[in-house]
Amino acid sequence: DTGVSQNPRHKITKRGQNVTFRCDPISEHNRLYWYRQTLGQGPEFLTYFQNEAQLEKSRLLSDRFSAERPKGSFSTLEIQRTEQGDSAMYLCASSSQGTDYEQYFGPGTRLTVT
Amino acid sequence: DAKTTQPNSMESNEEEPVHLPCNHSTISGTDYIHWYRQLPSQGPEYVIHGLTSNVNNRMASLAIAEDRKSSTLILHRATLRDAAVYYCILRPDTNFGNEKLTFGTGTRLTIIP
Repeated sequence: DTGVSQNPRHKITKRGQNVTFRCDPISEHNRLYWYRQTLGQGPEFLTYFQNEAQLEKSRLLSDRFSAERPKGSFSTLEIQRTEQGDSAMYLCASSSQGTDYEQYFGPGTRLTVT
Repeated sequence: DAKTTQPNSMESNEEEPVHLPCNHSTISGTDYIHWYRQLPSQGPEYVIHGLTSNVNNRMASLAIAEDRKSSTLILHRATLRDAAVYYCILRPDTNFGNEKLTFGTGTRLTIIP
């Protein structure tokens, strides 16, 4: 297993378009997280899944954002009617349940909204 | 969430030890102290974590003050590859297990060859 993967790595879209990102976590990890990072800031939490259940959502996750993890494996993050303010790096992380609290991050998807 | 305070930036010479400080005066008794780092153009990676006692692993050491209101990440011999943004994060120990990480702006570490 090579770690958490994210696709695409880069996405350029026009304002108003919909975009979808995919995250493939480490295979035995049942917890999956999405974060967003803008330039010069640390990552900000968006949402968290345990298996297929979405257990927490940040207030940052407006109605235009939706995340799914249908079979408790990969996850998708969709942004509808993109705005320029959505331009950011979208990071996915996964972890296993138990005393090991380390989160493993993917390389991120950089979104640019023009 | 309890807050951490870190210097915005630090510089260190290559092959010398680096001490990265973090203040967390409002830490609660069940908060773990975690450190992550983010290399350029990569996602964050876990470095180390601890609760009360000092901790060592292959990447670094974590020294925790007796009152737990501050901690120091120690890189024993910095290399150019250690140039990154280092984040000090407090994570509550809850029955729900792994939860979100609350990142600040971190310390940007520059290594001078």
